Amino acid sequence: ETGVTQSPTHLIKTRGQQVTLRCSSQSGHNTVSWYQQALGQGPQFIFQYYREEENGRGNFPPRFSGLQFPNYSSELNVNALELDDSALYLCASSSSGTQETQYFGPGTRLLVL
Amino acid sequence: AQSVTQLGSHVSVSEGALVLLRCNYSSSVPPYLFWYVQYPNQGLQLLLKYTSAATLVKGINGFEAEFKKSETSFHLTKPSAHMSDAAEYFCAVITNFGNEKLTFGTGTRLTIIP
Repeated sequence: ETGVTQSPTHLIKTRGQQVTLRCSSQSGHNTVSWYQQALGQGPQFIFQYYREEENGRGNFPPRFSGLQFPNYSSELNVNALELDDSALYLCASSSSGTQETQYFGPGTRLLVL
Repeated sequence: AQSVTQLGSHVSVSEGALVLLRCNYSSSVPPYLFWYVQYPNQGLQLLLKYTSAATLVKGINGFEAEFKKSETSFHLTKPSAHMSDAAEYFCAVITNFGNEKLTFGTGTRLTIIP
């Protein structure tokens, strides 16, 4: 059984560019959540996908968007990058249900210059 | 809004000493509470979770936490610290049932003194 994987591990972009981050969920999981962790802070919820539909969104602007595919893998897209978007982006997968544990990937570290 | 507060952004303990990391929650409904650990340059690993069963929850690596409704607390403890426990610890809460959004505290960095 493989765990949650994310790609790429590191990324450098310039302000105004667009970026796509990828996440492969753990086998058997149908829910993927994305979090942004700024340096020295706790992770902040961006949005969640359940069976290819968005199932809740945090306080992030529309330039943060996502997709979930039939195999439950997911993408996070960020348009018009800003300096403050520099952070560790974490993906977590889980089975549906509030009591189910969210399993986190290693993250993608994004630096916006 | 539901939230958690972690008291102490940095905690240092000697190897072999008691570890106590504090977490208080704010919720209008019974919460589900979690402790995660993050080692440098890694993602988050679940230590333990409380989902309204037993109030004393045992987790991995010798950690445990006790849910105290009267104190709105969910402090993390370990009787004897090990050098490998040095990491960042996050308390988190879920209260929005149907959307399993985790709301995290700001974290506590644990340093172990040899």
